Amino acid sequence: AQSVTQLGSHVSVSEGALVLLRCNYSSSVPPYLFWYVQYPNQGLQLLLKYTTGATLVKGINGFEAEFKKSETSFHLTKPSAHMSDAAEYFCAVSLAGKSTFGDGTTLTVKP
Amino acid sequence: DTAVSQTPKYLVTQMGNDKSIKCEQNLGHDTMYWYKQDSKKFLKIMFSYNNKELIINETVPNRFSPKSPDKAHLNLHINSLELGDSAVYFCASSHKDRERNGYTFGSGTRLTVV
Repeated sequence: AQSVTQLGSHVSVSEGALVLLRCNYSSSVPPYLFWYVQYPNQGLQLLLKYTTGATLVKGINGFEAEFKKSETSFHLTKPSAHMSDAAEYFCAVSLAGKSTFGDGTTLTVKP
Repeated sequence: DTAVSQTPKYLVTQMGNDKSIKCEQNLGHDTMYWYKQDSKKFLKIMFSYNNKELIINETVPNRFSPKSPDKAHLNLHINSLELGDSAVYFCASSHKDRERNGYTFGSGTRLTVV
């Protein structure tokens, strides 16, 4: 069975500050990993994904995430937050035909 | 062009009514899904259809019945609506190798049962 845990249901940063959203997974073998973003009143949009190869993956809007097998983590980062980054972020894992979403992290960006 | 479109966007109805939500995707994907997002933003899969065949049916009350007339459409019919059905319902689609490519979501249908 696989599971995903997002540490911190709410994260607040100042505009221009580093964004760090944490995601840890549990599975018998390394799964495929995803981050999605949900802006208010919209559906989820794929930010980035890790399947194989380079462990540091870059996504849209300046976000990137690093797959660390030893830590079973896939944390999402962005060097400098913009007001427009305020949204809900979901980490997800896929393995053996099944996908599991985390509970989400609400990112607030203060001016 | 909207990749995954759902209608209606908002739906307000009384308890006991029957309602439907429609979903269409123009991506040529093989698999379509219905997800429910509650007031705490938790996402839960309800159903999955692959090429018109049901492949996932989570523990959802049988008042919920999905229907897929073809692989580009997956509709959700809900009978005898209850207050607890109030949520945002998302349709999504994926290519058959969704493990590698992820999902494309619609913009959601906000259902409010009063």
